[in-house]
Amino acid sequence: NAGVTQTPKFQVLKTGQSMTLQCAQDMNHEYMSWYRQDPGMGLRLIHYSVGAGITDQGEVPNGYNVSRSTTEDFPLRLLSAAPSQTSVYFCASRLSPGLGDQYFGPGTRLLVL
Amino acid sequence: GIQVEQSPPDLILQEGANSTLRCNFSDSVNNLQWFHQNPWGQLINLFYIPSGTKQNGRLSATTVATERYSLLYISSSQTTDSGVYFCAVGAGGTSYGKLTFGQGTILTVHP
Repeated sequence: NAGVTQTPKFQVLKTGQSMTLQCAQDMNHEYMSWYRQDPGMGLRLIHYSVGAGITDQGEVPNGYNVSRSTTEDFPLRLLSAAPSQTSVYFCASRLSPGLGDQYFGPGTRLLVL
Repeated sequence: GIQVEQSPPDLILQEGANSTLRCNFSDSVNNLQWFHQNPWGQLINLFYIPSGTKQNGRLSATTVATERYSLLYISSSQTTDSGVYFCAVGAGGTSYGKLTFGQGTILTVHP
């Protein structure tokens, strides 16, 4: 198993540009989520999904969109990048919302100029 | 929402020393995990421990759910233990599945 994979590893954007952060898992996990980590802070939940076709907002959803068309993939879209979205983004997956360990991908470092 | 507090915020040890990290949370939880974020930024699962005690080598954890705290013990610390340790909790109801993270404990182990 590759576990949770994320691409790209690093990205530089200009203000106003859009992009998609990719996330995939090969563990047949129902539950997937996106977090952002800012310096000196823990992780904050952006969006999550409890299964294909079902998504919901987390703690800091503004400026981000998600979709879940398959069990494996959970992309995060930045619609119009802002400097405040400079952060490290982690994708995570779990067997089901209430069961088992949550596994994290390696992260994507995003710099918005 | 649920609040998570970790202590101490920073910890500096000499190799071989033991340490205890604490995580307090403000409400009942059905999920509690400890993670280690290594100096390269990777988040590594240490324990899934909503209650009880678990051990894995030099690391062990105890969660006392009724008193709303969890402890992570590191014995005979090594330089590779350096990094940030996060506690993350999840509650039921409308928070089902979501994890709320503490601010982390930064551990530095000197040789």
